[in-house]
Amino acid sequence: GAGVSQSPRYKVAKRGQDVALRCDPISGHVSLFWYQQALGQGPEFLTYFQNEAQLDKSGLPSDRFFAERPEGSVSTLKIQRTQQEDSAVYLCASSLFTQDEQYFGPGTRLTVT
Amino acid sequence: GQNIDQPTEMTATEGAIVQINCTYQTSGFNGLFWYQQHAGEAPTFLSYNVLDGLEEKGRFSSFLSRSKGYSYLLLKELQMKDSASYLCAVRDNYGQNFVFGPGTRLSVLP
Repeated sequence: GAGVSQSPRYKVAKRGQDVALRCDPISGHVSLFWYQQALGQGPEFLTYFQNEAQLDKSGLPSDRFFAERPEGSVSTLKIQRTQQEDSAVYLCASSLFTQDEQYFGPGTRLTVT
Repeated sequence: GQNIDQPTEMTATEGAIVQINCTYQTSGFNGLFWYQQHAGEAPTFLSYNVLDGLEEKGRFSSFLSRSKGYSYLLLKELQMKDSASYLCAVRDNYGQNFVFGPGTRLSVLP
């Protein structure tokens, strides 16, 4: 079956622009996670949804970052007024339930110029 | 606090065995995962340990000692395609937060 998909795969934004990154999890997966991965580093947790409820957003680096999953399926990570330090790969992962292994999407590489 | 340590880089020869270590200090523990990540690609699940001991899965094995905060991933009969980063991740008590280590970049040489 289809895995986790993310779009766009690559995004170049000028500093100050807003961006929206989309994640389509595996159908039926309850839990959805967003991570930020800098070059040569492991993924860092940003936020977590169980169905449509955002249960943990402790990893969001600033109030410029906002995530939603209004119908408990597709999720969008929005970054307002992008800064150069936001340049990274943004990974989305889903799992059937919270306790299960996570399946990752290919990521969106964001470059802020 | 949360802290996971792994060696940054390792090199091994095709056909050999390599052991990648991971030590962790986390506020809670509810399982340790190993993921493989090829450059520019998504991490893919390799193994999971929640109890002490060795879990074997083909050419890959993973070991856990909870009392020592220590795990290793053992790769046997190395192949060129095993060149990748290997990520150690600990899941906290509540099951919703994975803390990833920095990853170990493995290069397999002919």
